[in-house]
Amino acid sequence: AQKITQTQPGMFVQEKEAVTLDCTYDTSDPSYGLFWYKQPSSGEMIFLIYQGSYDQQNATEGRYSLNFQKARKSANLVISASQLGDSAMYFCAMGVNTGGFKTIFGAGTRLFVKA
Amino acid sequence: GAGVSQSPSNKVTEKGKDVELRCDPISGHTALYWYRQSLGQGLEFLIYFQGNSAPDKSGLPSDRFSAERTGGSVSTLTIQRTQQEDSAVYLCATGAAGDGTQYFGPGTRLTVL
Repeated sequence: AQKITQTQPGMFVQEKEAVTLDCTYDTSDPSYGLFWYKQPSSGEMIFLIYQGSYDQQNATEGRYSLNFQKARKSANLVISASQLGDSAMYFCAMGVNTGGFKTIFGAGTRLFVKA
Repeated sequence: GAGVSQSPSNKVTEKGKDVELRCDPISGHTALYWYRQSLGQGLEFLIYFQGNSAPDKSGLPSDRFSAERTGGSVSTLTIQRTQQEDSAVYLCATGAAGDGTQYFGPGTRLTVL
């Protein structure tokens, strides 16, 4: 069975500092994708970054990078130079390639950026 | 517009009534997902359509829930005989048949009185 675990219900970070949001996953399928989504208080879900299970390098998208450690089954999100607008819920998700991608989501981490 | 759209944005209904929630996907996206998000909670997978394949209904919480996707495009999620515990935001997401990245609609907030 697939499982996504986010152990940090809430995190605080000082503006302009970096923060790491933890995510571990479990699957026996060799082909999968890992995703991070941001959900501001307005409610929309915003795609941030994707990492494929066969990708050799860690994914990066602007200030977001995904620290992919396959042996540990972890896919932590690193946000550099935090901004006040980064305050939101962050969800880690995993899609398993079964001819499409059925996706499961973690419980989320609420990030608070302090001025 | 170019994004996923959902209607209605808000729906208030009485317990026992049926409701239909609509999702218009991004053109060309073959994958379509429905999720439910209760207040302060994560996303609960409901159902997943991929092209012309049989949908994955494994997340539907009861037989009061059903969904259709007509012509591989618009999808409707139907909840029959609504209960108060059905109150939540229902999110639709679509994706191209690639890496599984999903693009979400704004959601429908359902309130069952």
